[in-house]
Amino acid sequence: GEDVEQSLFLSVREGDSSVINCTYTDSSSTYLYWYKQEPGAGLQLLTYIFSNMDMKQDQRLTVLLNKKDKHLSLRIADTQTGDSAIYFCAERGYGQNFVFGPGTRLSVLP
Amino acid sequence: NAGVTQTPKFRVLKTGQSMTLLCAQDMNHEYMYWYRQDPGMGLRLIHYSVGEGTTAKGEVPDGYNVSRLKKQNFLLGLESAAPSQTSVYFCASSYSKVGVKDTQYFGPGTRLTVL
Repeated sequence: GEDVEQSLFLSVREGDSSVINCTYTDSSSTYLYWYKQEPGAGLQLLTYIFSNMDMKQDQRLTVLLNKKDKHLSLRIADTQTGDSAIYFCAERGYGQNFVFGPGTRLSVLP
Repeated sequence: NAGVTQTPKFRVLKTGQSMTLLCAQDMNHEYMYWYRQDPGMGLRLIHYSVGEGTTAKGEVPDGYNVSRLKKQNFLLGLESAAPSQTSVYFCASSYSKVGVKDTQYFGPGTRLTVL
């Protein structure tokens, strides 16, 4: 079945860039998403990318998609302490249910 | 507009007890979902519903039942709780699952501990 993998932890210093990586196995994935989960809260959509795109930029966020390698990344520029959270990669095919990765816990050090 | 709400926020059960988790959404969404979140495993889909009166099994449905009697509510039941069901449960809803913007909106979660 489909599988989505992420590294579980990432630490960066405030002001640096963070890069969170994700790999997926379903070649029919049509949509790929990044969600953010703050402590004690549900998941909130950060950004998404359609599978026929290779890059999307939204303010401090840059999403890169390498469809050949089934690799997705999220870059956060000028990382702030408020960016500390768990980041989930998710994918789905057209009309299919979401498949989530295990989440990457981002810690921002002062 | 409250979005997706869940009750209760926390619950402790003894093995064998039953309980129902309630999810409510006020966005007129057709689709609703129940997930469980366990450390290092991400979210796993338990059951979902594509409309009022319908339910379907997800990835990990065993030990759970659901009902969608009203469009805005989706109930998750545990008939005989087991320690393996200790988890954080999230409800989500979406307008559909067809378009790229039909993302899911999540509730704040219910932390359940089964002793």
